[in-house]
Amino acid sequence: NAGVTQTPKFQVLKTGQSMTLQCAQDMNHEYMSWYRQDPGMGLRLIHYSVGAGITDQGEVPNGYNVSRSTTEDFPLRLLSAAPSQTSVYFCASREGWNNSPLHFGNGTRLTVT
Amino acid sequence: ELKVEQNPLFLSMQEGKNYTIYCNYSTTSDRLYWYRQDPGKSLESLFVLLSNGAVKQEGRLMASLDTKARLSTLHITAAVHDLSATYFCAVASTNAGKSTFGDGTTLTVKP
Repeated sequence: NAGVTQTPKFQVLKTGQSMTLQCAQDMNHEYMSWYRQDPGMGLRLIHYSVGAGITDQGEVPNGYNVSRSTTEDFPLRLLSAAPSQTSVYFCASREGWNNSPLHFGNGTRLTVT
Repeated sequence: ELKVEQNPLFLSMQEGKNYTIYCNYSTTSDRLYWYRQDPGKSLESLFVLLSNGAVKQEGRLMASLDTKARLSTLHITAAVHDLSATYFCAVASTNAGKSTFGDGTTLTVKP
């Protein structure tokens, strides 16, 4: 049982480049979300989804797009990378949307130069 | 907007000592979570607290929830080095259950 799988683990981009961070889960979880973690700022929610075809913005959505075409996958797209997007990105999923805790992937460390 | 505040943000303890981490939140919620993160690693769930007065314990860690005071505590008993990590509390909103995290408490346990 792989849980939540994120790829790549590390990525370096130049300012203005675009890329997609991949997230897949094999637990049939309805709820999926993306967070970014910056030093001293905890985790901030970027986008989330309560099921296939449904997405919504979190606290810091600007510069990021998401889609949810299947239950398993929730990719995060950076449209035009900026140095301010240098961060560690975590994908997390949860069974349903109610009481269960989040299951986190191992993270993607992104550097934008 | 839901806000979650943890204190202290940094905590250095001697082995064998007791201490408490506090988590305050700004709006009504009865779902609070504690997570642990080791350096360079992902987050793992420690406790799920779902009602006022809920208390959960595992090993040297005990978490409690007071929904009226909008306060959760994580109590550490007789700390050991293996407890060194960053601890996050998170509160789930009633809207779609999305979780808002505190800034984390980095705990260092020294021999």
